[in-house]
Amino acid sequence: GAGVSQSPSNKVTEKGKDVELRCDPISGHTALYWYRQSLGQGLEFLIYFQGNSAPDKSGLPSDRFSAERTGGSVSTLTIQRTQQEDSAVYLCASSSQGQALHFGNGTRLTVT
Amino acid sequence: GENVEQHPSTLSVQEGDSAVIKCTYSDSASNYFPWYKQELGKGPQLIIDIRSNVGEKKDQRIAVTLNKTAKHFSLHITETQPEDSAVYFCAATSYSSYKLIFGSGTRLLVRP
Repeated sequence: GAGVSQSPSNKVTEKGKDVELRCDPISGHTALYWYRQSLGQGLEFLIYFQGNSAPDKSGLPSDRFSAERTGGSVSTLTIQRTQQEDSAVYLCASSSQGQALHFGNGTRLTVT
Repeated sequence: GENVEQHPSTLSVQEGDSAVIKCTYSDSASNYFPWYKQELGKGPQLIIDIRSNVGEKKDQRIAVTLNKTAKHFSLHITETQPEDSAVYFCAATSYSSYKLIFGSGTRLLVRP
C-alpha cells in the first residue's frame, strides 16, 4: 500500500512569510509525528498526535509553529513569520500504536 | 528525559568489511530500540529493531545487540556493500512513551 506522503517536497519562501506543510499518513495509522532535521543533524521531535487525544506539542520550538490533524488523518504543520533558522527538512511519520514509525520523504524548507 | 548518543559520526570501510555503530541511552525505562537507514533525499527507513527482552537480533547481514545493564546497543553490518552507504540513526523509547528519541546519526561510506 501507499506510504506516508508529504507535500510539497521542496519549498522556498521569503523570510517573514507563512508556510504550510502537509502530511498524508498511512491509512489506519492512529499515531502521527512531525520531526525536524537540520542539515547534517539528527531528528528533532516536534509534535505527536494519537487518535482523538490532545497532541503533545512539547517539541515545537516557538509559538510560530503549530500543527493540526483533521479527521484523524491528514496533518498540516504551519510555520508563521518564517525565519532563516527554520530552514530544514520537515519529516512526518505515522505508526500503529506501539509499532515502528514509517517516515515520509520530507519537505525541504528553505527560507531566504 | 531520554538522551541518545551515537558514535562514530562518520565511518568509512572497505567493501566486504564489517561496520559497527554504537549508541548509548540514558533512560533505564527505555525498552524499544530501532535502527533507521536514511538515503540521500529520502526519509529514514526502519532496517531492524530490538526490544529489551532479547540481547541480540539478526536479519541477514545486519544484527543488533543490546546491553541493558550498560545501556548500550549496537548495529553490526557484515560483508558491507556500496549500497549500504547511507546515514544510520539509532533511537530509543519505552512502551509507556511514544516519543522516539534519535541519535545524531552515522554517515557510513563503503568504498568499492
